[in-house]
Amino acid sequence: SAVISQKPSRDICQRGTSLTIQCQVDSQVTMMFWYRQQPGQSLTLIATANQGSEATYESGFVIDKFPISRPNLTFSTLTVSNMSPEDSSIYLCSVGQGINSPLHFGNGTRLTVT
Amino acid sequence: EDQVTQSPEALRLQEGESSSLNCSYTVSGLRGLFWYRQDPGKGPEFLFTLYSAGEEKEKERLKATLTKKESFLHITAPKPEDSATYLCAVQADGNNRLAFGKGNQVVVIP
Repeated sequence: SAVISQKPSRDICQRGTSLTIQCQVDSQVTMMFWYRQQPGQSLTLIATANQGSEATYESGFVIDKFPISRPNLTFSTLTVSNMSPEDSSIYLCSVGQGINSPLHFGNGTRLTVT
Repeated sequence: EDQVTQSPEALRLQEGESSSLNCSYTVSGLRGLFWYRQDPGKGPEFLFTLYSAGEEKEKERLKATLTKKESFLHITAPKPEDSATYLCAVQADGNNRLAFGKGNQVVVIP
């Protein structure tokens, strides 16, 4: 399976600032997704990162708050903008190779907003 | 809306004490049901995909089964290294998304 690297692995940020999380895959992948994992909650899909076009956001998530880029088939970024303590969470990049293939996940970015 | 409910939320087992984790789901046409293992500070690690009722998959001490309403992850003679959170997710027909449950946190005591 693909090796997925996320940076940073953790960060502590002040409210009102923004953080960009990077996801690098060691091979070209068809699908890339961004998930959020909050304590005691299910993994929640934020958006599908589409190569060369705007991301597709899930209900409750908007582009102004979580802008996403995907310039090629191996790289994507998620920005958490104008952060508040409620944004403290683990953010996970996941990739898949097709509709019948399992998703594989990076190790996540643990974000704390103070 | 696709829903996944996992039980029990937390489970403590003695080493060698077999048990089962439950994943109940509702989905508008199941394309696949997935089991993942997640260790603290790590991303979910893929274990199994099940596609149709009656299907079973095995890997070492783990065996996953599927019915039309639920899936079980059986842990046979667990070892401390089986301690982890096990996540269940479903994928609906015509959909790339996975809907996850909250997980089963398993602790195996030596």
